[in-house]
Amino acid sequence: GENVEQHPSTLSVQEGDSAVIKCTYSDSASNYFPWYKQELGKGPQLIIDIRSNVGEKKDQRIAVTLNKTAKHFSLHITETQPEDSAVYFCAASKTWRGNEKLTFGTGTRLTIIP
Amino acid sequence: DGGITQSPKYLFRKEGQNVTLSCEQNLNHDAMYWYRQDPGQGLRLIYYSQIVNDFQKGDIAEGYSVSREKKESFPLTVTSAQKNPTAFYLCASSVTSGRDEQFFGPGTRLTVL
Repeated sequence: GENVEQHPSTLSVQEGDSAVIKCTYSDSASNYFPWYKQELGKGPQLIIDIRSNVGEKKDQRIAVTLNKTAKHFSLHITETQPEDSAVYFCAASKTWRGNEKLTFGTGTRLTIIP
Repeated sequence: DGGITQSPKYLFRKEGQNVTLSCEQNLNHDAMYWYRQDPGQGLRLIYYSQIVNDFQKGDIAEGYSVSREKKESFPLTVTSAQKNPTAFYLCASSVTSGRDEQFFGPGTRLTVL
């Protein structure tokens, strides 16, 4: 089955600096790569996703890049703000009978230092 | 407001007792999922259901059971056969037919004493 590795497990950055979280996946058939943000005591919320036919996607301060050859994808957050502090999870999946069965990474706890 | 609700937020049970976690959605989604989250680990899939009256085992189904009698409801029972039931349980749903985003509920923290 799919295996997703995520690094680093913890990350602290100064407010206003950029943060980068990296994930690798094992199944070359995976074609969907979402990123979720989880705040303390809450369920994860999708913040951005990318499909395998695209190399990069951006939404305001958040961007995701995908390297299919190397089987890795990264989340980039620019101009970080205190509200960006949370746990971030990457995931990977391939089409499965019309639904996406996600395999998650182990998460990155991001702390923004004011 | 459309969304997914899980109740209760905190649940305590004695060892050896079965317990059922509730998950309800009013998003009209066909697919529903149950995940388990442990500290320092990602979300692991317990069971999933694509449609009413159908469900499949995920990666860690042992010691759990589910039912899908109604489209909006997908309860999870943690049985006494589950060796380490204390965890944070998350329910999610998604639209079928290739739609991707999974929407998560707020979770239930189960503690078995």
